[in-house]
Amino acid sequence: GESVGLHLPTLSVQEGDNSIINCAYSNSASDYFIWYKQESGKGPQFIIDIRSNMDKRQGQRVTVLLNKTVKHLSLQIAATQPGDSAVYFCAENLGDSWGKLQFGAGTQVVVTP
Amino acid sequence: DTGVSQDPRHKITKRGQNVTFRCDPISEHNRLYWYRQTLGQGPEFLTYFQNEAQLEKSRLLSDRFSAERPKGSFSTLEIQRTEQGDSAMYLCASYGGSKTQYFGPGTRLLVL
Repeated sequence: GESVGLHLPTLSVQEGDNSIINCAYSNSASDYFIWYKQESGKGPQFIIDIRSNMDKRQGQRVTVLLNKTVKHLSLQIAATQPGDSAVYFCAENLGDSWGKLQFGAGTQVVVTP
Repeated sequence: DTGVSQDPRHKITKRGQNVTFRCDPISEHNRLYWYRQTLGQGPEFLTYFQNEAQLEKSRLLSDRFSAERPKGSFSTLEIQRTEQGDSAMYLCASYGGSKTQYFGPGTRLLVL
């Protein structure tokens, strides 16, 4: 079936470098996308979102890019810090009702000193 | 802390026993969602409530699972006759119309 997935299961990044986490989605009807961060033993934490009528959105140290042509979503983290070490999930809103989310499998980001 | 609480945080039970989890959403939020997350995977949608009405249930929610939100505030998720395959993290999320869905810390269930 249609699904959201991630290209890389693990990303090792040196502290201070920029991180890029990628996500492919296949549901062309999805109109809203979210990135979540999940630390060990905790629930997912909202990072940033983007609607399908946008191709870029910036937050504090994070940028989300949406390419609807190739159904690709990415999260860029600037100046990665040790506290950024976590699993990152992309999620898409499944069309007909706000909040019913479909998540990808996640990317583990490991920040090294 | 997102303002969403779940209880208990951890539950170990024997196969065949019933378990019940509770979620307290952000007080003014009218939508409440339940997800299940297994190790290394993203959360999977189970069901959601708009106030006290359960509006949708996933095919993942077998007849051993039941969820309630009797007064439109807290919600409970009950699993009857637990199986080892039910071992997972059960997440609750609260939504109040701002697009952002706030997750609780989850209840980790281990069925022996």
